[in-house]
Amino acid sequence: QLQLQESGPGLVKPSETLSLICAVSGASITTSYYWAWIRQPPGKGLEWIGSIYHSGSTYYSPSLKSRVTISVDTPKNQFSLKVYSVTAADSAVYYCARRSHFHNSSDYYDWFDPWGPGALVSVSS
Amino acid sequence: SSELTQDPAVSVALGQTVRITCRGDNLKKYYATWYQQKPGQAPIVVIYGRDTRPSGIPDRISGSTSGTTASLTIIGTQAEDEAEYYCSSRDSSGNHLFAAGTKVTVL
Repeated sequence: QLQLQESGPGLVKPSETLSLICAVSGASITTSYYWAWIRQPPGKGLEWIGSIYHSGSTYYSPSLKSRVTISVDTPKNQFSLKVYSVTAADSAVYYCARRSHFHNSSDYYDWFDPWGPGALVSVSS
Repeated sequence: SSELTQDPAVSVALGQTVRITCRGDNLKKYYATWYQQKPGQAPIVVIYGRDTRPSGIPDRISGSTSGTTASLTIIGTQAEDEAEYYCSSRDSSGNHLFAAGTKVTVL
């Protein structure tokens, strides 16, 4: 059974770099899926941060692209997130998830499943 | 525009039917995915594609799309259906979008 688990510091100082790892178990990260980071500020909605393929191909949210890097480590079966120059607005629960995709002549859609349990990261001095 | 909008909240009596809608221009080309999130938990998929339920999702939950509006319907709403529901889709650049969510309260 595929499982994802986020890990990393729960507290980051303003202007520093937030770093998280998503460990994938139960399946290889080199299968034909994208792997994603999504975050949720306390009491607010979900925000897609970006996605990566095992080849290293990435998509980033236009609003975060200048401050985010997602990378993949296929030998360790994990992928990572870095958010640079963080502020209090980056405080959130950060989730990793697998993105599935379907496309034919008439239908086109994606979905994120499963998700990790989430990692709460607070930005504070 | 690349935005998805949902009503913030809806209430439904136990055993009744509730419909949640999601509006966005992208829904004419890309189907919505619906996620259910309960407090303190990660979201789970309840509907994706035309109207596909993952294993374990009860068949009282269904989805539909008409033009730029996607709908999630729960028939015979149960207490365990009380949750936040988010619709999500994508745009032509591969960016993923989430609406702000609808809180469903079961009375």
